[in-house]
Amino acid sequence: AAGVIQSPRHLIKEKRETATLKCYPIPRHDTVYWYQQGPGQDPQFLISFYEKMQSDKGSIPDRFSAQQFSDYHSELNMSSLELGDSALYFCASSWGTSGIYEQFFGPGTRLTVL
Amino acid sequence: AQSVTQLGSHVSVSEGALVLLRCNYSSSVPPYLFWYVQYPNQGLQLLLKYTSAATLVKGINGFEAEFKKSETSFHLTKPSAHMSDAAEYFCAVTSNRDDKIIFGKGTRLHILP
Repeated sequence: AAGVIQSPRHLIKEKRETATLKCYPIPRHDTVYWYQQGPGQDPQFLISFYEKMQSDKGSIPDRFSAQQFSDYHSELNMSSLELGDSALYFCASSWGTSGIYEQFFGPGTRLTVL
Repeated sequence: AQSVTQLGSHVSVSEGALVLLRCNYSSSVPPYLFWYVQYPNQGLQLLLKYTSAATLVKGINGFEAEFKKSETSFHLTKPSAHMSDAAEYFCAVTSNRDDKIIFGKGTRLHILP
């Protein structure tokens, strides 16, 4: 079965650079979520989109922005990168926005900021 | 607001022994509860979920969890530990009025030979 695809899988950037993470949801899933997992930490919710509109927002820095496109894929744009942005970024997708709909997680993008 | 508390950041059990990972939740609405497993440098895999049906939930790899409303608990168990169970386990909560998942701090399970 098709799974959530994230690209790139690994990304190394310098401080103050910009990074773009991409997420391709499971076909026919209309909702995308982004989570950030720092080293040794639990995943923290950043932002979600339903039908290309932002549906919820968590602890996402103002330096980050995201959107969902007409084909339902999503991109997380991160500017002015800081060392503390080094983390594993997960994307998840679901069919519907209620918690009853299972979120399927991608393998993650590991961002390292030097 | 919803939250989960996992008791014990590290748990060690001998191979073949009972695995018990503790999770307590707090929620003002009926919760949906999950256990995820994360192997080193890998993504999150859903072990099992509770969504207000049967209180005893069976998952993959021989794991199960019981929802106890009176104790606000959702502990994860496995009768006999295997070396391949060594991983980080996250308890998580959401509801039908929410969509984001709130994760616990995680419990690293070590299996002793």
